[in-house]
This record gives sequence, C-alpha cells and structure tokens, in this order.
Amino acid sequence: KAGVTQTPRYLIKTRGQQVTLSCSPISGHRSVSWYQQTPGQGLQFLFEYFSETQRNKGNFPGRFSGRQFSNSRSEMNVSTLELGDSALYLCASSATGRTEAFFGQGTRLTVV
Amino acid sequence: GQQLNQSPQSMFIQEGEDVSMNCTSSSIFNTWLWYKQDPGEGPVLLIALYKAGELTSNGRLTAQFGITRKDSFLNISASIPSDVGIYFCAGQPGGGSQGNLIFGKGTKLSVKP
Repeated sequence: KAGVTQTPRYLIKTRGQQVTLSCSPISGHRSVSWYQQTPGQGLQFLFEYFSETQRNKGNFPGRFSGRQFSNSRSEMNVSTLELGDSALYLCASSATGRTEAFFGQGTRLTVV
Repeated sequence: GQQLNQSPQSMFIQEGEDVSMNCTSSSIFNTWLWYKQDPGEGPVLLIALYKAGELTSNGRLTAQFGITRKDSFLNISASIPSDVGIYFCAGQPGGGSQGNLIFGKGTKLSVKP
C-alpha cells in the first residue's frame, strides 16, 4: 500500500502570497489531518477532514483553510503569508474509527 | 489548551544502553501513540496504546499506557546507532475527535561523542 503523499516537498514563497499544499492519503483512509511543525511550537493540529467535511479545527487564524475531495485527497491553503508561517506542514491519514495517524514526508514552506 | 509534558528533552546514548522517556498530562487521554521522526521526514508510528495499563512491544521498543490514563512511557532496549532521532508522544484527549492529536515537544536522541 502506498503511504501518504504530500506535494510539493519544498516551497519558497514571498510574504503576502498564498500557497496551496496537497495530500493524498493511504488508499481507503477517509480521515485526513493537517499539522504545522516548527522548532518553537512543535507539532500543532490545524484541521481534520472526513468525507469532505471539516470535522475538527485547531487554533489557527482564518488564513489557514483546507478542503477534501470525494477521493479523500486534501488540500490546505494559506493566504497572505507571513514570515511566521515558515514551517514543515504535515498531513496524516487515518482509517475510519482508528486513532493511529500515518504521516507523509511533509512540505517544507519557507516564507521570505 | 491541553499539553503533553515529554521528558527528557534530549539525551545521549551509547550503543547497547537502554533508553527511557515519558509523557505526562494533567488530563485524561483515550489513546497514546509514540512516533519517531528523522531529519527531513514525517513522523513514523512506532507503537499505539489503547487501554489503561496496557504494555505493548515492537521489537526492542516497549511502551505502556499509564493506569491513571494521564501518562505513558517508552523504553528502547540495547540501543543501536539508527535509534538516533526525535521521539514524540501523542495522545487523543478524552472526548476528543479521532483526528485531533496532541503532541509532546519530543525527546531528541543523539549518540554520545
């Protein structure tokens, strides 16, 4: 079974721009969660999608948004980028009813 | 918000040594997960624990779900160089949604110089 795939692996953006990150979950997994990882704050939960619906949301500003498609693939979008948005963005998928989250390799976003 | 206190923050290992780390919380967790992350990669799931008191092994790794449901520990026996990396505990809070995991800040394992 292929693992969680995130694209792109690396991104460099300028302050004020917007960015879209993509995540393909493990086949059969319908739950997709997104996390932000920074050296100072560690891993922080952004949001979770299940069957195209946002099921849970972390404590991030509205500039961070996401969506899920009917094939369970998910995207997250960050608008009006700030320097502090530089981080590793991780996507994880879970099987229905299971807590174990399987992570992708992440997208390293650098805002300059 | 809920927090997990993971300790130690870092430690140095010599090949063959046993290693122990733990996570504590002020609130109850339904599930405890342990992950390892190598540089530039995503976290990899090592062990999942579901019941208070549960003790689970995965090769040289052993983890336990605390009786109070507020803590968990991970032991690595007879460490080898490839054990180097950052280990994270993660928990699903009581009453929390499946996808919302709370993570500890990590324990960084390095090789003794």
